[in-house]
Amino acid sequence: DAGITQSPRHKVTETGTPVTLRCHQTENHRYMYWYRQDPGHGLRLIHYSYGVKDTDKGEVSDGYSVSRSKTEDFLLTLESATSSQTSVYFCAITRGGNTIYFGEGSWLTVV
Amino acid sequence: QKEVEQDPGPLSVPEGAIVSLNCTYSNSAFQYFMWYRQYSRKGPELLMYTYSSGNKEDGRFTAQVDKSSKYISLFIRDSQPSDSATYLCAMSAGGGSNYKLTFGKGTLLTVNP
Repeated sequence: DAGITQSPRHKVTETGTPVTLRCHQTENHRYMYWYRQDPGHGLRLIHYSYGVKDTDKGEVSDGYSVSRSKTEDFLLTLESATSSQTSVYFCAITRGGNTIYFGEGSWLTVV
Repeated sequence: QKEVEQDPGPLSVPEGAIVSLNCTYSNSAFQYFMWYRQYSRKGPELLMYTYSSGNKEDGRFTAQVDKSSKYISLFIRDSQPSDSATYLCAMSAGGGSNYKLTFGKGTLLTVNP
């Protein structure tokens, strides 16, 4: 157990609606990440955070924003969901020694 | 050329076989190499972690890194049906924001009883 909780685990939403995914960690780690996983593309980094209020873009950040107001929570927001954002979203944290651990995933379907 | 290349398989082997999984990469800055195992509809699970070149063994699993060839391998001995999963290689340059990983697309492995 990596001490990461993602919510919601499953969501169906309509095109154009805002969606927020939450990642909660219990271990006070500095680095947190959001990845998406799609067939044919593998895991791709959306955004990451290296501390409270410190975030940066990954390789597929268009259409996504993030916030981190507390060490334990990292939020991913789709401002206006599109069908291309239908995916599985994984939150991850870095523990000591460059080792990165993943949560169980949030399955998002945009219809 | 993609930064990390991994044969997607699928790979099907009989129980007890030795399995070899491989990735190649192009970025010479990569220093940290990982293998993740992902069961269907689950999150990736860290299996092996190696820094720089060399071998690392953990039970039935051996990870090898050859930085001169930009090639990494994962060997599974005495494979079991419970090893059936997708195996992802991942790597990073390390340190600061370079903790973020670059992944291969994964190899689907099935071990048949």
